[in-house]
Amino acid sequence: GAVVSQHPSWVICKSGTSVKIECRSLDFQATTMFWYRQFPKQSLMLMATSNEGSKATYEQGVEKDKFLINHASLTLSTLTVTSAHPEDSSFYICSAVGKWGVGQYFGPGTRLTVT
Amino acid sequence: GQQVMQIPQYQHVQEGEDFTTYCNSSTTLSNIQWYKQRPGGHPVFLIQLVKSGEVKKQKRLTFQFGEAKKNSSLHITATQTTDVGTYFCAGQGTNAGKSTFGDGTTLTVKP
Repeated sequence: GAVVSQHPSWVICKSGTSVKIECRSLDFQATTMFWYRQFPKQSLMLMATSNEGSKATYEQGVEKDKFLINHASLTLSTLTVTSAHPEDSSFYICSAVGKWGVGQYFGPGTRLTVT
Repeated sequence: GQQVMQIPQYQHVQEGEDFTTYCNSSTTLSNIQWYKQRPGGHPVFLIQLVKSGEVKKQKRLTFQFGEAKKNSSLHITATQTTDVGTYFCAGQGTNAGKSTFGDGTTLTVKP
């Protein structure tokens, strides 16, 4: 149980374009979803916290207009990287917390490369 | 803001040796969680500690939460090659907010 999927697993896009990443909890309802960036051999950097039906809470330094988060249902959250630039290239990973409230369950991540 | 520090950053051991990673928070925590990320994979939730002085075991893994609820450790007895990966702690503040991840300890095991 507690499986989280992410789509796509990797994407290459041109500078200036937008990319949407989906995060789904497959077998449970997620009260909260988190979006992280992870650089090679580094820790997880929290970007934003997303609750169903409400606006996402962004961490300091994360541009909300650049990283649009929509939490449309208890099983789906999306992250859209708008007007992507090469410096946005990274590993984006989501996690979800179920109603039991213990532990974050991570998706497999999305490798974004902006050329 | 809350900071969570984890040491060591890297640990190389011979198979069969023990391994310990330590996690320290700048503030008192409501709970602490531990995750394992295999190379090329995503973090997997291992356990959550809530009570002061709590000790939990999962086979060869022993997790401890300090009396002051500001530090924690993960100890692996007799490491195996399957233990390789990066171990992260994540501390949740007392305001029940988000969890802050440590930088992780990457364990390599030489057969």
